[in-house]
Amino acid sequence: DAKTTQPPSMDCAEGRAANLPCNHSTISGNEYVYWYRQIHSQGPQYIIHGLKNNETNEMASLIITEDRKSSTLILPHATLRDTAVYYCIVRPRSNNDMRFGAGTRLTVKP
Amino acid sequence: NAGVMQNPRHLVRRRGQEARLRCSPMKGHSHVYWYRQLPEEGLKFMVYLQKENIIDESGMPKERFSAEFPKEGPSILRIQQVVRGDSAAYFCASSPATLAGTAGELFFGEGSRLTVL
Repeated sequence: DAKTTQPPSMDCAEGRAANLPCNHSTISGNEYVYWYRQIHSQGPQYIIHGLKNNETNEMASLIITEDRKSSTLILPHATLRDTAVYYCIVRPRSNNDMRFGAGTRLTVKP
Repeated sequence: NAGVMQNPRHLVRRRGQEARLRCSPMKGHSHVYWYRQLPEEGLKFMVYLQKENIIDESGMPKERFSAEFPKEGPSILRIQQVVRGDSAAYFCASSPATLAGTAGELFFGEGSRLTVL
């Protein structure tokens, strides 16, 4: 019931950009797209979120397509410490909780 | 400003015993969420509480599990008569206000890992 589809795993070379896709084809107008990550055995860490516009912060950029049916999380210069499971979450503005799916296991390789 | 604090970080119980997991939200946060993560799986929402109120417990098993968030003190997730299938990581998150109607985020603790022998 997470309403998002992500590839189960991806690799990225250290220093290169990591582009993590997320499909949310049934998203509605009042639903936000959130990204969290979970580094091995730690608690999930908030990365970024957006509604319609692209967003950027010190960690990452979020690119949302014009029809909002998919988005991409971009880590501009991946490091080994970015190896983690990345979760794309769609949260209705009216809901109080985040519903996590299986996520994408990103492995950054030297 | 301390983050979300959970304890114990690791807990071992024998089948039939009780497990109590505690969560202190971030300072100024009055909303707490509990999630469970089975090995090699994603996080599953269990329960959402405000001070002294359970708002949404739709993800919590009806039997043996209970949660509270008293006016004073941490939130407690209680599991009675534990079974091996309860072995998991239990994560607590907090927010300063309700997420509904806002673009807010959750702040997670480092989790409590329960092992049932």
